[in-house]
Amino acid sequence: QQQVKQSPQSLIVQKGGIPIINCAYENTAFDYFPWYQQFPGKGPALLIAIRPDVSEKKEGRFTISFNKSAKQFSLHIMDSQPGDSATYFCAARPSGSGGSNYKLTFGKGTLLTVNP
Amino acid sequence: DVKVTQSSRYLVKRTGEKVFLECVQDMDHENMFWYRQDPGLGLRLIYFSYDVKMKEKGDIPEGYSVSREKKERFSLILESASTNQTSMYLCASSSPYEYYGYTFGSGTRLTVV
Repeated sequence: QQQVKQSPQSLIVQKGGIPIINCAYENTAFDYFPWYQQFPGKGPALLIAIRPDVSEKKEGRFTISFNKSAKQFSLHIMDSQPGDSATYFCAARPSGSGGSNYKLTFGKGTLLTVNP
Repeated sequence: DVKVTQSSRYLVKRTGEKVFLECVQDMDHENMFWYRQDPGLGLRLIYFSYDVKMKEKGDIPEGYSVSREKKERFSLILESASTNQTSMYLCASSSPYEYYGYTFGSGTRLTVV
């Protein structure tokens, strides 16, 4: 079974800090790497995503860094705010077509707390 | 605004009951998914469907079945609920033609007593 390993399991930072969440995958047959943000009582929502042909993508205060050779990608949150407190999931999607290739493989999640 | 709607936010059922969790999406997506979310275990795929009347088992299908008679609706069925099926259940949909990832519903928190 293809896996995506996410760390840390939980993370506490002060307001303004730069939390970093890391993910590593085992199989090179992934072609899409999204991050999801989940607030308590809500379903996860797509935050930002990257394809393996780029090494970095920024959207506002959120940045994905991608290292294809190391099979690792990470989420950085610049100038973090208490409102960023949530659970973050990384994910990966297999390349190719066909029913089974539509499934995302998720990391186990990181609970981020940003203290005021 | 695109939506995935799960019929119930909270459910309490008794052991042995047959339980139906309903999910409807309005995005004309081909793919639909059922996950359960438990602390420390992340999101685990129960079943998914990539077309009407098509279904495939996910990682933890035991004790569950699904039905997809119409494109917009995907139902999760617990044939005989057990206490170890107490969990948060999340439905999601996606299109195979877009790199927009999944759209999730808000979840159904099921408690089996």
